[in-house]
Amino acid sequence: AQKVTQAQTEISVVEKEDVTLDCVYETRDTTYYLFWHKQPPSGELVFLIRRNSFDEQNEISGRYSWNFQKSTSSFNFTITASQVVDSAVYFCALKGAQKLVFGQGTRLTINP
Amino acid sequence: NAGVTQTPKFRILKIGQSMTLQCTQDMNHNYMYWYRQDPGMGLKLIYYSVGAGITDKGEVPNGYNVSRSTTEDFPLRLELAAPSQTSVYFCASSYGVINEKLFFGSGTQLSVL
Repeated sequence: AQKVTQAQTEISVVEKEDVTLDCVYETRDTTYYLFWHKQPPSGELVFLIRRNSFDEQNEISGRYSWNFQKSTSSFNFTITASQVVDSAVYFCALKGAQKLVFGQGTRLTINP
Repeated sequence: NAGVTQTPKFRILKIGQSMTLQCTQDMNHNYMYWYRQDPGMGLKLIYYSVGAGITDKGEVPNGYNVSRSTTEDFPLRLELAAPSQTSVYFCASSYGVINEKLFFGSGTQLSVL
């Protein structure tokens, strides 16, 4: 069975602080993909990143960075120098053979 | 570029009524999904399809039915609406191989009263 756990239900920080969103996953598949999606207050779901299980190289995109560690089954997401526009619910997701399973999400609030 | 189109955007149903949530994609994607998002919660998979004529249950299929007669369309049917089905419903699609990103529709907010 596949499972994604985002232990942090809500996080609130002050603008310009760095913040890390945790994601731990479970799967028996040897080939799988991990995703992060953003859901801003407007409600739509926005794809942020996809990583495959064979590529543990960390990735940086502007203020966003992702740390994938198979040894701990984690795929954490860090926002550097957070901004108010980063306020959203962030979902980690895991895709094995066919299904895409989401974590319960972390609500991130960036206060000015 | 339309992408994934869901209709309606909002709907209020009475208990016991039936309705169909429409989902259409114009990207020739093989995989299509229906998710529901309860208030303050994550997304749960209702049904998915790997191609025309093929559907399978997700985590929470009870109370729903789907069909996939064409590659483009993946409607979700609620036969006897219940208050527990009050949720936001998202349709999504991907080309098909395991590593493809998902394209989401804008969501349907459904209230069953």
